[in-house]
Amino acid sequence: ETVMTQSPATLSVSPGDSATLSCRASESVDRRLGWYQQRPGQAPRLLIYGASTRATGIPVRFSGSGSGTEFTLTISSLQSEDAAVYFCHQYNNWPQTFGQGTKVDIK
Amino acid sequence: QVQLQQWGAGLLKPSATLSLTCGVSGESLSGYSWTWVRQPPGRGLQWIGEINHDGRTNYSPSLESRVTILLDTSQDRFSLRLTSVTAADTAVYYCARGINSRIAARPGGGYYSFYYMDVWDKGTPVIVSS
Repeated sequence: ETVMTQSPATLSVSPGDSATLSCRASESVDRRLGWYQQRPGQAPRLLIYGASTRATGIPVRFSGSGSGTEFTLTISSLQSEDAAVYFCHQYNNWPQTFGQGTKVDIK
Repeated sequence: QVQLQQWGAGLLKPSATLSLTCGVSGESLSGYSWTWVRQPPGRGLQWIGEINHDGRTNYSPSLESRVTILLDTSQDRFSLRLTSVTAADTAVYYCARGINSRIAARPGGGYYSFYYMDVWDKGTPVIVSS
């Protein structure tokens, strides 16, 4: 199966700064890559699909890029409500798989 | 606006069968994949399987021998059964809607669906303990 590796495991960022999260696939997933946000005690929430398309209602400060095996989620102007774990998800190869997550802490 | 709400037993003894149902409101079941994902305590997300609007299913290879997902279009719901549970099955279980991106032929017949999940329910914690 396709292994999704996220880095870093934890990121500590000050409010107003930007955060860059990486996701690497063990084989190409084309652009079928999604990003999900999971706040403590909540269900995952779709942020990005197709590597770079924001889901409905997602603020423009969330942006995704990449293709093939390397992907990035950028959160600009970080807010306190962005404290969460972020998962990448490939849905190009069977079975679909998730990364282990990057935890974003707000300083 | 589509909403998902699941129900089912949250405390099971080893060797029991896990049974969860996810009700869909505000949207037809047609045209989507309906999926189950779980999250063990403190860990990441694990895809369990899906059922498509035509009733075709696909399951995670690691769980395939124990999993069944059923669709009830008359009541707009789908369900998960996982037999012979152990402590390793302790997790929060989520149901979600999948938006299909592509399909591909599956060896032996049928097809695989490839989708992202745009709507999730709030999850049900399931604990397996004697």
